[in-house]
Amino acid sequence: GQQVMQIPQYQHVQEGEDFTTYCNSSTTLSNIQWYKQRPGGHPVFLIQLVKSGEVKKQKRLTFQFGEAKKNSSLHITATQTTDVGTYFCAGNSGNTPLVFGKGTRLSVIA
Amino acid sequence: DVKVTQSSRYLVKRTGEKVFLECVQDMDHENMFWYRQDPGLGLRLIYFSYDVKMKEKGDIPEGYSVSREKKERFSLILESASTNQTSMYLCASSFNRGLGEKLFFGSGTQLSVL
Repeated sequence: GQQVMQIPQYQHVQEGEDFTTYCNSSTTLSNIQWYKQRPGGHPVFLIQLVKSGEVKKQKRLTFQFGEAKKNSSLHITATQTTDVGTYFCAGNSGNTPLVFGKGTRLSVIA
Repeated sequence: DVKVTQSSRYLVKRTGEKVFLECVQDMDHENMFWYRQDPGLGLRLIYFSYDVKMKEKGDIPEGYSVSREKKERFSLILESASTNQTSMYLCASSFNRGLGEKLFFGSGTQLSVL
């Protein structure tokens, strides 16, 4: 079945450094979504990308969807302590349920 | 705001017990899902439902069953709890199917099976 790989599993950064997490699918996706889970919290939807090569920004966060619609990335510029948490990508094809990556846990050292 | 409510935040059960995890959503969403979350394994889909009285197996349905008698309520049942079912269980709901299927999650139930 469809698999979504996400790397790295963990990332520790100094506050102010940039951070990137990468997501790769074994199959072409119709859309990809990103979620953030704060420590002790539940996943919260951040954004959805549907078009090949799409780039979207939310303040310091930049999301990209690859040209082949099989990979995606989330980049955070100048991390802050409020960025701490686990970031999940999730994608699907057609009307199948979302398949989640294993997540990247971000720690920010002040 | 969409609210997805899970009945218990923490639950402790004994091996062999029958366990019910309840989830209720208040936004008339068609679709409901049960995931379990384990360290290093991410979110794994147990069961889902696209309509009342409808259910489909996810990636790890063994040892679980579900019930959806009403649109707003989706229950996860552990017929005979085992220690390897100790986990965080997350319920989610969504309005659209497929493209645009943004998920809203409940706060989770941390289940410990002793």
